[in-house]
Amino acid sequence: GAVVSQHPSWVICKSGTSVKIECRSLDFQATTMFWYRQFPKQSLMLMATSNEGSKATYEQGVEKDKFLINHASLTLSTLTVTSAHPEDSSFYICSARDPTGSGNTIYFGEGSWLTVV
Amino acid sequence: AQKITQTQPGMFVQEKEAVTLDCTYDTSDPSYGLFWYKQPSSGEMIFLIYQGSYDQQNATEGRYSLNFQKARKSANLVISASQLGDSAMYFCAMREGRAGSYQLTFGKGTKLSVIP
Repeated sequence: GAVVSQHPSWVICKSGTSVKIECRSLDFQATTMFWYRQFPKQSLMLMATSNEGSKATYEQGVEKDKFLINHASLTLSTLTVTSAHPEDSSFYICSARDPTGSGNTIYFGEGSWLTVV
Repeated sequence: AQKITQTQPGMFVQEKEAVTLDCTYDTSDPSYGLFWYKQPSSGEMIFLIYQGSYDQQNATEGRYSLNFQKARKSANLVISASQLGDSAMYFCAMREGRAGSYQLTFGKGTKLSVIP
């Protein structure tokens, strides 16, 4: 079964509104989670590293004020797309590492399809 | 320079045949890990196989094996006895560093189509 859960799987929002995507680790505590974005027929691009109890680390070119990340607990990170525009429409997916496992225990959520109309 | 290169945008394979998906990587870090993920049209990323840079033997997981050639910096995925359900996008990814960062760098992917 899934060890990292993402919600919602699909979301359609109006341009100018905000939408929140949740990423939960179900069986372990994750001090670090990662958010990726994937445009159609392209690869996954890392957006930011979500750190529990501290500010997220954003990759170059990713607007921190537009993509708000909150990692308030060891099992939950949220990505809020603020003032969404159609160009923000994409597939967003999170990952988390189980710290009790080996270097390959990196789990992905199911992903969230965002469509901004 | 790209850190992960997948040179095959698309591949076709006959059902029950074996197929090799290419992946080369670039890193100066002596400690790294290489991953292969399968992404069906639903979007989820399904972990297939992992190879650590210090692993002496090539990784195998069921029908999946990783042909790790460290000197050539290649980590090709071999799928044996292809099944129709193997049709999907396949991504090679790398993490660098022994500890701390577990962010992954992905290649552009290869779309595999299994022909009945």
